[in-house]
Amino acid sequence: EVQLVESGGGLVQPGGSLRLSCVASGFTFSSYNMNWVRQAPGKGLEWISYISISSSTIYYADSVKGRFTISRDNAKNSLYLQMNSLRDEDTAVYYCARNEWIDYWGQGTLVTVSS
Amino acid sequence: DIQMTQSPSSLSASVGDRVTITCRASQGIRNDLDWHQQKPGKAPKRLIYAASSLQSGVPSRFSGSGSGTEFTLTISSLQPEDFATYYCLQHNSYPRTFGQGTKVEIK
Repeated sequence: EVQLVESGGGLVQPGGSLRLSCVASGFTFSSYNMNWVRQAPGKGLEWISYISISSSTIYYADSVKGRFTISRDNAKNSLYLQMNSLRDEDTAVYYCARNEWIDYWGQGTLVTVSS
Repeated sequence: DIQMTQSPSSLSASVGDRVTITCRASQGIRNDLDWHQQKPGKAPKRLIYAASSLQSGVPSRFSGSGSGTEFTLTISSLQPEDFATYYCLQHNSYPRTFGQGTKVEIK
């Protein structure tokens, strides 16, 4: 069974940083491209970042470019999102999602940016 | 960027009704479109991939159609467990973009 488990969310002040993690199991993580997608409270889904299998190709949404960094460690079956210079509008549930076309989702981790 | 326009934004329907949701892409995306269902407080779940293929384990009352710029998700006979929000997602190019969502509520 495919499982994606996010962690690392929490309350952070504007301008602060946070690192999210996603641990994968039930499939060969090193064979799949991965994404981060977020959802602000009461709002729709927003794709924010993609990383290829070897980390050679990375994309970001304009809304997070220059502030967020996606990375992965295939030996640890893990995906990461380093979030810097956080803003109120970054408050959301953050999901990791498998594959460039998104076939499986994690359960999400809540990030709240507030003073 | 490819814009995905989904309609309606919400609808009220009864158990047994036939429901249709539409997604329109701002440019042609072949059949690079999937449909996802999200229930309150839960992660999304993929229902349909490549515009018309049913994800394994998804009931056959769900179907998808379309190609190019116009896509449709149909629920042939709405069941109580289908009350949720539905999103289309284009994976033809980056940035990936979702429709705004359609909330299906009980009439």
